[in-house]
Amino acid sequence: SQQGEEDPQALSIQEGENATMNCSYKTSINNLQWYRQNSGRGLVHLILIRSNEREKHSGRLRVTLDTSKKSSSLLITASRAADTASYFCATYTGGFKTIFGAGTRLFVKA
Amino acid sequence: SAVISQKPSRDICQRGTSLTIQCQVDSQVTMMFWYRQQPGQSLTLIATANQGSEATYESGFVIDKFPISRPNLTFSTLTVSNMSPEDSSIYLCSVELVLGQGGSYNEQFFGPGTRLTVL
Repeated sequence: SQQGEEDPQALSIQEGENATMNCSYKTSINNLQWYRQNSGRGLVHLILIRSNEREKHSGRLRVTLDTSKKSSSLLITASRAADTASYFCATYTGGFKTIFGAGTRLFVKA
Repeated sequence: SAVISQKPSRDICQRGTSLTIQCQVDSQVTMMFWYRQQPGQSLTLIATANQGSEATYESGFVIDKFPISRPNLTFSTLTVSNMSPEDSSIYLCSVELVLGQGGSYNEQFFGPGTRLTVL
């Protein structure tokens, strides 16, 4: 079964608004990563947060990790139409496996 | 980081035929992975390919259907055998690198994917 589950499944916002996506997982992890996938294309690595970290920033991206709740969130601030994509969380539990969640489809309206 | 290329980028195949997908990495890596992404779905790990040994398949995937080769540390192939329309998916190659000071964390990189349509 999949380790990560994203919430919401789909999100539609106006350009300039913030977008928040959540990810929950089931077992202990070494790290958690967020990826973006534009329609029909490969995955782009956005940010990695390790199990001993609580928050990381990269440009307009902010990721939080709460290991006690087994959850993570991805915040995209001041969204742009180009942010329209699917976003996946992926958990690494060791054993050389990364397990992907179902993804959140984000649509940013210009 | 790692730069990964895949061939072909897309193909349309007839049912009952087989397609071999190639994955080339710009650096030597120990672990390579093959994922499948069915339309509108997330990624599912098919198998882990180590150089010099047989691939390790995940539940629901078998070697007869998805034979994998790993002849060296920069290259791997995945064959989708005896295809049916249900095999229509994007197939992605991935590698894992150990990064950070003292190898403190692992990061995974993905190829652009091969979009397969089976008629």
